[in-house]
Amino acid sequence: EIVLTQSPTTMAASPGEKVTLTCRASSSVSYMHWYQQRSGASPKLWIYETSKLASGVPNRFSGSGSGTSYSLTINSMETEDAATYYCQQGSSYHTFGAGTKLELK
Amino acid sequence: EVQILETGGGLVKPGGSLRLSCATSGFNFNDYFMNWVRQAPGKGLEWVAQIRNKNYNYATYYAESLEGRVTISRDDSKSSVYLQVSSLRAEDTAIYYCTRWRRANDYWGQGVMVTVSS
Repeated sequence: EIVLTQSPTTMAASPGEKVTLTCRASSSVSYMHWYQQRSGASPKLWIYETSKLASGVPNRFSGSGSGTSYSLTINSMETEDAATYYCQQGSSYHTFGAGTKLELK
Repeated sequence: EVQILETGGGLVKPGGSLRLSCATSGFNFNDYFMNWVRQAPGKGLEWVAQIRNKNYNYATYYAESLEGRVTISRDDSKSSVYLQVSSLRAEDTAIYYCTRWRRANDYWGQGVMVTVSS
């Protein structure tokens, strides 16, 4: 089973700050997907196939990576971006990372 | 508009079984794979199972941690997918989400709560 390790576990960012969340896979994967989950809500697809923004996702978000190392970047943190972000791989079954909780500073 | 609605949750005693249902609308169900994903209280997401469509012979896949206790199925005539879970344990307590899969889990239901307790 491919294990995904997200870092940091929790972080706080100020409005306007650049934020980078990382996801490392225990074996090479073809793509990484990212989901946003706000408190009390269902997760939403945020970035798919490493770098493609899901419908409605602001273009301050971007995704990159390959092999075993992937990242999600917010160019300029906004209040509404505070949430938990999960990475997920679909190359070998469908494991999720443990999530990064992003808070507003 | 894509809609996904899970039902069938509730309180179940340890060792019991449960069948969750997921009704969908707003898209051609036959074209898609479907997944179940769960989330224990205060915890992260855990993929449970996937069922592919007719073109892929309705192939099924399960998380290793649950294999043998869960069965995913679908009824294309009803645009619905199901999850049967048996030998329930306290650690199966979670919100169970039904998702549509095309390249990723692109649509999620609101989830249904399953509580395993005596």
